[in-house]
Amino acid sequence: DTGVSQDPRHKITKRGQNVTFRCDPISEHNRLYWYRQTLGQGPEFLTYFQNEAQLEKSRLLSDRFSAERPKGSFSTLEIQRTEQGDSAMYLCASSLGGIITDTQYFGPGTRLTVL
Amino acid sequence: GESVGLHLPTLSVQGGDNSIINCAYSNSASDYFIWYKQESGKGPQFIIDIRSNMDKRQGQRVTVLLNKTVKHLSLQIAATQPGDSAVYFCAEPLFTGNQFYFGTGTSLTVIP
Repeated sequence: DTGVSQDPRHKITKRGQNVTFRCDPISEHNRLYWYRQTLGQGPEFLTYFQNEAQLEKSRLLSDRFSAERPKGSFSTLEIQRTEQGDSAMYLCASSLGGIITDTQYFGPGTRLTVL
Repeated sequence: GESVGLHLPTLSVQGGDNSIINCAYSNSASDYFIWYKQESGKGPQFIIDIRSNMDKRQGQRVTVLLNKTVKHLSLQIAATQPGDSAVYFCAEPLFTGNQFYFGTGTSLTVIP
C-alpha cells in the first residue's frame, strides 16, 4: 500500500499521560499536514511541514502539542499531559506541493480516547 | 435528492437516483476546491477537485459545479450506490493556501 499510513490506529490513555502518534506520508510527497477531527465536524488544521521545516501552526496547537519531521519523511505528533478534550481523531495528510493545486491525501487517522 | 450546505447536513436518497450535495464557501479569493468523501472510521478520501478558472469538472459518476458569483459548489453523484453512503466535505484553502477549511460536511445515506 503506497498511501499515507498512521500508527497506532487507536489509542486509549489516562488523563495526564503523554502520547505520540506517527505518520508515514506518500514517499514522494514533501508536504505533510496534521489535522484534528471531532465527532460531527470536519478536519481542523493543526500544523504543516515542508520537508523537515514546520512552516505553519494553528492556534489550536497548544504548547502541550509538538510535531516533528526530523528527516523530511515520517512525522510524529506528541501530546503531553493529555486532557479529556484532546479526545479526537488525529489525521495526517501529505501532498506533492504544487504551486496552484496541491491535493492533500489523508491517512486512516489515529483515534485518541482520553479517560 | 439535494442538500444545502450546513443547513441540511443529512441527505437520504434512493439507490439509483442522482444526488446533489451543495457547499457554500466563504473566501472569494479561493482558487481551488476539493471534494472529499469520508466513510465511518476512515480518513477523508479525495474525490474530485476544481480550479476557479473552471465552472464544471467531471469524473467517474461525479460532477462538480462551481458558481463563483454566489460562492457555491455542488457535487453531483450519478446513479447513487450504497457504497456512496458517507460524509462529504468540500474543502477550500485558507489564506496561505496550505491550510484547508473543511466545514461540517453533509452526510449522505443511500437507501437500497
